[in-house]
Amino acid sequence: DQQVKQNSPSLSVQEGRISILNCDYTNSMFDYFLWYKKYPAEGPTFLISISSIKDKNEDGRFTVFLNKSAKHLSLHIVPSQPGDSAVYFCAARGYNAGGTSYGKLTFGQGTILTVHP
Amino acid sequence: GAGVSQSPSNKVTEKGKDVELRCDPISGHTALYWYRQSLGQGLEFLIYFQGNSAPDKSGLPSDRFSAERTGGSVSTLTIQRTQQEDSAVYLCASSLSPRPNEQFFGPGTRLTVL
Repeated sequence: DQQVKQNSPSLSVQEGRISILNCDYTNSMFDYFLWYKKYPAEGPTFLISISSIKDKNEDGRFTVFLNKSAKHLSLHIVPSQPGDSAVYFCAARGYNAGGTSYGKLTFGQGTILTVHP
Repeated sequence: GAGVSQSPSNKVTEKGKDVELRCDPISGHTALYWYRQSLGQGLEFLIYFQGNSAPDKSGLPSDRFSAERTGGSVSTLTIQRTQQEDSAVYLCASSLSPRPNEQFFGPGTRLTVL
């Protein structure tokens, strides 16, 4: 049961243009969403997050949008730079059986972003 | 400052052998997580430690998998009688508190079971 899905395995964008990475989820109990970036042979690094009570969060070139009714979030990178080329993972935090929210994350499959000079 | 470290970085083993993977979290981080990433898949949660106890082991795929944490610091993930489907990158993460945007990941251990 894939609760977090990234349906695009890869995305190719020209430098300076916008990159839009998409993520869908099925669990309405998720209360916090995150994007991680991963370079080869390195662990994922946190990029940006959004609480379920918000619909937008912006940090420099990165903006995350959340559409709760559609159970969809997206990451916008503007303008895209070659250094942004990496695998991007969408992740969600939910509640455990005891009703406590903690840091366990459910990840999507990742999208490989390539930004061409 | 030192980040999360994992050892070995690569491990090749034969089917049926036992392996131990080690994680050294950031000093003072009380929460520790193990994930694994199989080829073409996202990161899959395995187990969560708060201090030395593991309130959530729900992601361990079988009883061949076990993990422990001692002294509220180093954690070891043990896989007994390895199978080819165990081949994956095993990632460890730690955080000062169970808040997900503070999870810091190690570089991972790539396990290959022949």
